[in-house]
Amino acid sequence: GQQVKQSSPSLTVQEGGISILNCDYENDMFDYFAWYKKYPDNSPTLLISVRSNVDKREDGRLTVFLNKSGKHFSLHITASQPEDTAVYLCAAGAQGTGSKLSFGKGAKLTVSP
Amino acid sequence: ETAVFQTPNYHVTQVGNEVSFNCKQTLGHDTMYWYKQDSKKLLKIMFSYNNKQLIVNETVPRRFSPQSSDKAHLNLRIKSVEPEDSAVYLCASSYWGGDTQYFGPGTRLLVL
Repeated sequence: GQQVKQSSPSLTVQEGGISILNCDYENDMFDYFAWYKKYPDNSPTLLISVRSNVDKREDGRLTVFLNKSGKHFSLHITASQPEDTAVYLCAAGAQGTGSKLSFGKGAKLTVSP
Repeated sequence: ETAVFQTPNYHVTQVGNEVSFNCKQTLGHDTMYWYKQDSKKLLKIMFSYNNKQLIVNETVPRRFSPQSSDKAHLNLRIKSVEPEDSAVYLCASSYWGGDTQYFGPGTRLLVL
């Protein structure tokens, strides 16, 4: 079955607002969690990632929150901009699996001016 | 330019034909991957190689065979394609144990 799930396929946020994208996973062995951004017809590009030894990581307007007990992680984008409009993929992996990542199906974020 | 390069961008073929996709990375990585993105947009790992050695081989049909001549190249051959093989095939690379995977632009395959 699908090991990483993004339950909301789309989200619309007003410019300047906070975008929150969610991801749930099933595998207890996952210790690496990442968010990728995918523009139309472009390949995924890593935005931000976190290891399981922390529950939060910030990078500019991006913050990843990790809830290991709930098997859930999220991406918060503050001061959302129209150029943030894209598909966001969450991914997770486990050490010892050859850096294999399991991806969610993606969620389309639209930031309206 | 350092990146992950894939050829061709797009390929249309008929059922039963053989196709080959090429991937090259100039990032100095030692690990490369092939992913398949199906019609539902789900990205699934197919294979990964580390220094020309097969590391991950997910449950894919035997008509799929990866080929690595060195750590910078990982090609994918599909013998006798079937309609369900229509998808975007994405190549990626990273350092072994590294967090960041860099993706190529993908090869879109359409099987008629």
